[in-house]
Amino acid sequence: GQQVQQSPSSLVLQEGENAELQCNFSSTATQLQWFYQSPGGSLVSLLSNPSGTKHTGRLTSTTVTKERRSSLHISSSQTTDSGTYLCAIDGNTRKLIFGLGTTLQVQP
Amino acid sequence: EAAVTQSPRNKVAVTGGKVTLSCNQTNNHNNMYWYRQDTGHGLRLIHYSYGAGSTEKGDIPDGYKASRPSQENFSLILELATPSQTSVYFCASGDLTGSGNTLYFGEGSRLIVV
Repeated sequence: GQQVQQSPSSLVLQEGENAELQCNFSSTATQLQWFYQSPGGSLVSLLSNPSGTKHTGRLTSTTVTKERRSSLHISSSQTTDSGTYLCAIDGNTRKLIFGLGTTLQVQP
Repeated sequence: EAAVTQSPRNKVAVTGGKVTLSCNQTNNHNNMYWYRQDTGHGLRLIHYSYGAGSTEKGDIPDGYKASRPSQENFSLILELATPSQTSVYFCASGDLTGSGNTLYFGEGSRLIVV
């Protein structure tokens, strides 16, 4: 079945540093989405980026469809960015398959 | 902003008992989903629905039933709860067709089966 692999599994940064999160997937995807999950909380959509580069605020996502990979760049990290970042694809279905996530801790 | 509300937020159930997790969405989305989240497994899809009256099996449907009596409501039913079903359950709604569409998640329901 479809698989979504994220790396690194965890990341610790000092406030102000940049973060680079990776997502690799095993099948074609018409939808690729990045979600944020606060500690013990729900999921919130950050970006939908099935191909190319998309920016929102301090977030930049680049997806290379033919190489089945996507990245999420967080610039000038803040302590409030701490949490888990999840990548999800649909694989031409109307449901999302999630990776295990990258847990980010930003220290002051 | 899409609103998805789950109840109960926390539940302790006994083995063999029946548990119903409810989900309500107010944004007229056709598609609704139930996921469970466990350490080491991430989010896994249990059941989903394309509209009122429809339910589809996800990747881990065994031990679960689903019911979609209306556009707004989608329930997950554990007829005979087992300790292995201890988890955090998330309901979501949304439309994945077209650019920019996404899923909106509820706050989660934490279930402990003893």
